[in-house]
Amino acid sequence: SQQGEEDPQALSIQEGENATMNCSYKTSINNLQWYRQNSGRGLVHLILIRSNEREKHSGRLRVTLDTSKKSSSLLITASRAADTASYFCASYPYGNNRLAFGKGNQVVVIP
Amino acid sequence: GAVVSQHPSWVICKSGTSVKIECRSLDFQATTMFWYRQFPKQSLMLMATSNEGSKATYEQGVEKDKFLINHASLTLSTLTVTSAHPEDSSFYICSARDHQVLPNEQFFGPGTRLTVL
Repeated sequence: SQQGEEDPQALSIQEGENATMNCSYKTSINNLQWYRQNSGRGLVHLILIRSNEREKHSGRLRVTLDTSKKSSSLLITASRAADTASYFCASYPYGNNRLAFGKGNQVVVIP
Repeated sequence: GAVVSQHPSWVICKSGTSVKIECRSLDFQATTMFWYRQFPKQSLMLMATSNEGSKATYEQGVEKDKFLINHASLTLSTLTVTSAHPEDSSFYICSARDHQVLPNEQFFGPGTRLTVL
């Protein structure tokens, strides 16, 4: 079953702008992860944020986690055309060793 | 990072035939492997979880006799789609995890595009 839900699901921006996408989840988690998927390809792990962390950075990526609201956001700063992809959040619900994915956000960065 | 490969990357078959997809962990031992399917513009849906040397655990609604999973070694798992039909056409992705080294991280294969005519 799907754990997370992202809103919005489709985002089209100009190169150089920031892209923000959100994810909400239903049950308690140990950590939350974000993945990128280029069209027709496998998933690339972007970043992991633990339940006791509120914010984490990795290069142009910034992830926040609000466990009280059961939500997370992924911000890509200074977007590039190569950032065009689908982005998924995923988590391991407590007591469950199966990674559950959200619906995904499709991001298009226009050069 | 750890590498997971899948073979074939794409396959086209006739309805009624069986198709086998291989998933290999190239530089680590995969104590657990997962099989997902993904329809166009949708998220990944977990089909089954397999631990090396034991039977796979299937998610609700996934037919175990339809999707045969074998995880005979720590580096190889196979998914066989038996008597494939057009509705089985999808993108199948495997992932692998080593509980001892990186328990929180799964490494994904590049996926296999199955088209059933």
